[in-house]
Amino acid sequence: EVQLLESGGGLVHPGGSLRLACVASGFTFDDYAMSWVRQAPGKGLEWVSAIGGRAGDTYYADPVKGRFTISRDNSKNTLYLQMNSLRAEDTAVYYCAKTYSGCCRFDYLGQGTLVTVSS
Amino acid sequence: DFVMTQSPLSLSVSPGQSASISCKSSQNLLHGDGRTYLYWYLQKPGQSPQLLIYEVSSRFSGVSDRFSGSGSGTDFTLKISRVEAEDVGVYYCMQGTRLPPPTFGQGTKLEIK
Repeated sequence: EVQLLESGGGLVHPGGSLRLACVASGFTFDDYAMSWVRQAPGKGLEWVSAIGGRAGDTYYADPVKGRFTISRDNSKNTLYLQMNSLRAEDTAVYYCAKTYSGCCRFDYLGQGTLVTVSS
Repeated sequence: DFVMTQSPLSLSVSPGQSASISCKSSQNLLHGDGRTYLYWYLQKPGQSPQLLIYEVSSRFSGVSDRFSGSGSGTDFTLKISRVEAEDVGVYYCMQGTRLPPPTFGQGTKLEIK
């Protein structure tokens, strides 16, 4: 059974930083690309970033480019999202997503972790 | 970037009736490998999104056969037969043909009368 467990969310001031983590189980982690998808309160889904399996190619949505960094530790089956220079508009639930094909074709999403950016 | 447009944005259906949701893409979703990467997800209240349909019409593991997907090119439809109370939530289409970024529709909220 595929499981994705996110952590690291919380309340942070504008301009601050936060690091999210997602521990994966139930599949061979380094065989698959992984993504982060977010959902602002009461809004729809927005892809944030993706990283390849072994090669580690990275991709970012324009709103987070230069501020967020995606990474993975295949020895720990863990995906990360380092978020710097946070803004109010980054407030959202952040979901870890497993991809079955390509960079961003999702078959499983985790339960999410809430990030609130507020003064 | 692709724009995915869903309609209606909300619908209310009586139990046992059918429901259809449309998803239109601003560009053709046929990939050069011959596949069409159009997906449907359901986000039940208080839960994370779950995959229902992948590549237009293939049901994901464990998904009821009351859910069916169809379409091609730029026009796609999700049909829910014999709607049940557990089908309540927000349905999203997503294109995975031109990546990145994957692009979601606005979502369609399904309620039970």
